[in-house]
Amino acid sequence: GALVYQYPRRTICKSGTSMRMECQAVGFQATSVAWYRQSPQKTFELIALSTVNSAIKYEQNFTQEKFPISHPNLSFSSMTVLNAYLEDRGLYLCGARQISNERLFFGHGTKLSVL
Amino acid sequence: QQQVRQSSQSLTVWEGETAILNCSYENSAFDYFPWYQQFPGEGPALLIAIRSVSDKKEDGRFTIFFNKREKNLSLHIKDSQPGDSATYFCAAGNNRIFFGDGTQLVVKP
Repeated sequence: GALVYQYPRRTICKSGTSMRMECQAVGFQATSVAWYRQSPQKTFELIALSTVNSAIKYEQNFTQEKFPISHPNLSFSSMTVLNAYLEDRGLYLCGARQISNERLFFGHGTKLSVL
Repeated sequence: QQQVRQSSQSLTVWEGETAILNCSYENSAFDYFPWYQQFPGEGPALLIAIRSVSDKKEDGRFTIFFNKREKNLSLHIKDSQPGDSATYFCAAGNNRIFFGDGTQLVVKP
């Protein structure tokens, strides 16, 4: 079956530091990867959509300078939260989509806490 | 502007009843509508999805009813079980998928 692994599962960083999170698709080819942030109130925000061999498209209020994303192949993507502050706290979710199949699968997420 | 709205923040039903979760969306160009189930501490799990060309999709105890003209849809959970207690997210989109704020379902035994 299709699985998405994210790591680390939880991370704590000091205010102003950066942290990188990774996403691995297993059992399918992830032509597109969407990164979301889920707030403590459970609201989802789409950060960016990355499609292999295309430019990464960031949503309003999110920038490459703050959330650089790499999507080098059909099974792996990573995103870094640069200069993290309190407002960046949340559960960061990677959603991967199969080739010719619209189903969007999520990993467990990376929970970011900022001190 | 919020793209996807779920009408209830929370819903409580008794075991064995049908839980009905409602959702509406803004963009008439959206053609894909998944529902996700999320337990505390976990990522959202895809439950069932429908495309805009259909008006009904059934998978076991879960059924989506879709009304393209009204831009709304609902998830029906038949014979609700305590193990169905979770937060349910309606989502909609094309390449980009947008989520509602979720409905927390409690099924009482």
